[in-house]
Amino acid sequence: GAGVSQSPRYKVAKRGQDVALRCDPISGHVSLFWYQQALGQGPEFLTYFQNEAQLDKSGLPSDRFFAERPEGSVSTLKIQRTQQEDSAVYLCASSYRLAGADNEQFFGPGTRLTVL
Amino acid sequence: KQEVTQIPAALSVPEGENLVLNCSFTDSAIYNLQWFRQDPGKGLTSLLLIQSSQREQTSGRLNASLDKSSGRSTLYIAASQPGDSATYLCAAFPDSNYQLIWGAGTKLIIKP
Repeated sequence: GAGVSQSPRYKVAKRGQDVALRCDPISGHVSLFWYQQALGQGPEFLTYFQNEAQLDKSGLPSDRFFAERPEGSVSTLKIQRTQQEDSAVYLCASSYRLAGADNEQFFGPGTRLTVL
Repeated sequence: KQEVTQIPAALSVPEGENLVLNCSFTDSAIYNLQWFRQDPGKGLTSLLLIQSSQREQTSGRLNASLDKSSGRSTLYIAASQPGDSATYLCAAFPDSNYQLIWGAGTKLIIKP
């Protein structure tokens, strides 16, 4: 595709519900990143995939957060038993190369999650 | 641990002025530094990426510089326009892991 796409763009969940957020990276991009952005803050790293392998998940805030990229393209970020503190914009980015000096990341529009 | 700081948090200038946004980082061991633009309710648009071996990059009215030794990067915007109003974020890519480290951003308002 022309760019990174994410769905849904907006999600409202009741506390305790499970949610799934989808990311379609740019075709052929090896690397995929998930970030969490709270209001008025810069994004914070959640996890990184190289093709289908999750190489770093150290930024996931709790074991309620789970991400996968089973075929090395589309990725899903799942949050179980959502809490109010999970309310944020979740951003997905992809890049053509493996991590490195010229590894420019391209971002999707984000999914704004509101937990009531 | 790498920390990225952007000062000021907000800036308002009249249209037509040249301006500089500042970004500082604590650890010089980086692959690159990237500048982004974020419009309200929208995602991030990459503006410029400077590799660690480079000192500056230019795109149109934008020029970004990188001084690893002092831990600083600047984004220069020439002849500012109201359409430049947005939040500008810088992010450093450490060479030790895959975690892009972000500043909190500078909210820029260009007054017509």
